[in-house]
Amino acid sequence: NAGVTQTPKFQVLKTGQSMTLQCAQDMNHEYMSWYRQDPGMGLRLIHYSVGAGITDQGEVPNGYNVSRSTTEDFPLRLLSAAPSQTSVYFCASRDLGRNTEAFFGQGTRLTVV
Amino acid sequence: GNSVTQMEGPVTLSEEAFLTINCTYTATGYPSLFWYVQYPGEGLQLLLKATKADDKGSNKGFEATYRKETTSFHLEKGSVQVSDSAVYFCALSDLDNQGGKLIFGQGTELSVKP
Repeated sequence: NAGVTQTPKFQVLKTGQSMTLQCAQDMNHEYMSWYRQDPGMGLRLIHYSVGAGITDQGEVPNGYNVSRSTTEDFPLRLLSAAPSQTSVYFCASRDLGRNTEAFFGQGTRLTVV
Repeated sequence: GNSVTQMEGPVTLSEEAFLTINCTYTATGYPSLFWYVQYPGEGLQLLLKATKADDKGSNKGFEATYRKETTSFHLEKGSVQVSDSAVYFCALSDLDNQGGKLIFGQGTELSVKP
């Protein structure tokens, strides 16, 4: 049982480059989300999805795009990387409902130089 | 809007000491409350949860009670071990907000010395 799989684990980008962070889950969860983790700021929601074909913005969506073509996959695209996007990114999935547990990937540590 | 506030870290304790990490929340609805733990180099994993007032969540010797009157969900453990060294996040979830969005506190780093 793989759970939530994120790739890559580490990435260095130059300012202005684009890339896609991959996220896949095998638990048939409707809800998937992307967070960024920065020192002293906890986790902030970037984008989320409540099902295939449905996405919406979180707290800090600028500079990021997402799509949800299947239940399993929820990639995060950085359109033109900026140093302010240096962070650790986590993908999470959960069943819909306020009581349900979120399962997190191992994270992607991104550095933009 | 909904929010979570945790005590600031880092917290440094000796092995077998008593642990309390304070967490308070602001919410307009009736949220569920969670504690997640993040070990070095890993993602977050659920430690415990409580879904209604006066519920007590417990796991691995950790406990937290959902106190609606004080809007708190403090994490406690009677005797910490070196292996408990990690970052702890308090979080709430409210279906009224973005389909059950999890809102996290800023995290509290715990370091336990032998």
